[in-house]
Amino acid sequence: GESVGLHLPTLSVQEGDNSIINCAYSNSASDYFIWYKQESGKGPQFIIDIRSNMDKRQGQRVTVLLNKTVKHLSLQIAATQPGDSAVYFCAEKIRGDYKLSFGAGTTVTVRA
Amino acid sequence: NAGVMQNPRHLVRRRGQEARLRCSPMKGHSHVYWYRQLPEEGLKFMVYLQKENIIDESGMPKERFSAEFPKEGPSILRIQQVVRGDSAAYFCASSWGQTSYEQYFGPGTRLTVT
Repeated sequence: GESVGLHLPTLSVQEGDNSIINCAYSNSASDYFIWYKQESGKGPQFIIDIRSNMDKRQGQRVTVLLNKTVKHLSLQIAATQPGDSAVYFCAEKIRGDYKLSFGAGTTVTVRA
Repeated sequence: NAGVMQNPRHLVRRRGQEARLRCSPMKGHSHVYWYRQLPEEGLKFMVYLQKENIIDESGMPKERFSAEFPKEGPSILRIQQVVRGDSAAYFCASSWGQTSYEQYFGPGTRLTVT
């Protein structure tokens, strides 16, 4: 079955607020995680990644947090903008492997 | 500075026909991955290739599906005798090397089987 999943399939956010998208994984052998953004009709776009030897990584307006104790991953988007509306996927890679396993995705809708 | 390129973007085939999907990786990338996405679902791994080698095809159906990545030219995902259940978006991703975990995706080919 799926080893990567997201807590909520949809998230509605007011423009300017911060967004938090959650992801749970079950495989303790996962050593790399990545967040993708997919807009309608397009391919997944790389947002940010994190290796299992890290707890936090920051990018431009985005932060990924990794809690290996509870096998939880989150993506925080600061000051959410209308252009952030999309489906967000977390994906994991298992140690020694190279393919990515994707969760089902969270649809983020930004309200003006 | 072209990214991953896929063509065609949309492909319509009748049941029983063949579908050929092409993928050109990013410049400098020699590793290609194919994924399939059904509506409202995440991407599912199909196959991982390097130039002239299939490294992992564990996600590919045993029949009717094949993939190649020749020394010259794009990677090809071939589906023979398509059925309605093959209708999906097929995405190609590329990476620099086996120790580079970042995979960059193309725009996908949307296959519709009528």
